[in-house]
Amino acid sequence: NAGVMQNPRHLVRRRGQEARLRCSPMKGHSHVYWYRQLPEEGLKFMVYLQKENIIDESGMPKERFSAEFPKEGPSILRIQQVVRGDSAAYFCASSPRVGETGNTIYFGEGSWLTVV
Amino acid sequence: AQSVTQLGSHVSVSEGALVLLRCNYSSSVPPYLFWYVQYPNQGLQLLLKYTSAATLVKGINGFEAEFKKSETSFHLTKPSAHMSDAAEYFCAVIGGSGNTGKLIFGQGTTLQVKP
Repeated sequence: NAGVMQNPRHLVRRRGQEARLRCSPMKGHSHVYWYRQLPEEGLKFMVYLQKENIIDESGMPKERFSAEFPKEGPSILRIQQVVRGDSAAYFCASSPRVGETGNTIYFGEGSWLTVV
Repeated sequence: AQSVTQLGSHVSVSEGALVLLRCNYSSSVPPYLFWYVQYPNQGLQLLLKYTSAATLVKGINGFEAEFKKSETSFHLTKPSAHMSDAAEYFCAVIGGSGNTGKLIFGQGTTLQVKP
């Protein structure tokens, strides 16, 4: 059973370009979460999605950031017009269906974005 | 609102010594608590979790943690450190209802193991 798959693992973008990070959840998982880890900091929740729905985006920056989880295909975190402060590790996580108390969520290996 | 505080951003122990990583939480509801480990340039791996069953939780790699409601603590311990335990450790609590993966993480503790 493959784990949470993220790609690319490393991405370099120039200021002003767009970054797209992809995440395929574990098989059988219908809930996806994105977290950001800035240098020397812990992980911060960004967004929680189910298929075709954004459930909680309280941690998303108001501008330039968007996320989707289409009916088919991976979840995508999109950052438009990247700035140096966007340089971070972005982690995707997934969990099984709602209803399990204290769901364990499983993390991917992360995507490291460097903005030059 | 839920929150987590990890005391000590860096902990250094000798190989074979006791490991103690501290975590205190704040929660208005019965908490679900987790410890994760992160090796350099890798994702997070779950060590153990507390979900209101036994207060002493055993995890992988010889780690365990004890939930103490009176102290609002969930400290992580291991009797004897191994060089391979050197990593960053994160304590986390579920923020909100128990059915979401919206984890609130502590700042992390870097564990150094000296030979």
